[in-house]
Amino acid sequence: GAVVSQHPSRVICKSGTSVKIECRSLDFQATTMFWYRQFPKQSLMLMATSNEGSKATYEQGVEKDKFLINHASLTLSTLTVTSAHPEDSSFYICSARAGGLANEQFFGPGTRLTVL
Amino acid sequence: AQRVTQPEKLLSVFKGAPVELKCNYSYSGSPELFWYVQYSRQRLQLLLRHISRESIKGFTADLNKGETSFHLKKPFAQEEDSAMYYCALNAGGTSYGKLTFGQGTILTVHP
Repeated sequence: GAVVSQHPSRVICKSGTSVKIECRSLDFQATTMFWYRQFPKQSLMLMATSNEGSKATYEQGVEKDKFLINHASLTLSTLTVTSAHPEDSSFYICSARAGGLANEQFFGPGTRLTVL
Repeated sequence: AQRVTQPEKLLSVFKGAPVELKCNYSYSGSPELFWYVQYSRQRLQLLLRHISRESIKGFTADLNKGETSFHLKKPFAQEEDSAMYYCALNAGGTSYGKLTFGQGTILTVHP
């Protein structure tokens, strides 16, 4: 099946710094990528939808200036957490959709962000 | 707005017993429903979708529009079925492709 990678798998940073997380589709072109946030023992919450070559669409309550998303190519989307604070600590997961009628999303392994 | 509810956070059964993971949804239109599974230390992966009407790893799920449910069933649970299971809904329309997830159910199958 299709493979999605995320880098880094875990990151620890100081409060006030920015962190970039990459999401790559390794063997297919992803017209759409999604970014989720998962709190411990809770469900995945969609943060934003990222379409190649256009601005990301953010879900209600998600600060677009805080969570910058760039989908520069059909195989790469990045999420930058700007001026991170401890409350941004979470598990961030991306998924990629190949497009067409098949509506399957392929998920990355996730990135554990810890802000000290 | 759409919503997915999985009423059981934890579900424990013994090997060989039947298992049913409940999923209810609320959506005024015609939804597309999925079950995703996450095994320990692995990424989320698609288990099955309602439009395929397939059985994967012995699991089946039937969409019941009258009861707005999409329960996941397996007649004889195996230890390797132990995992976190998420029910998800795609509303379609302008939300096409966006998934709304339930809270998840941790299934533990005891030997």
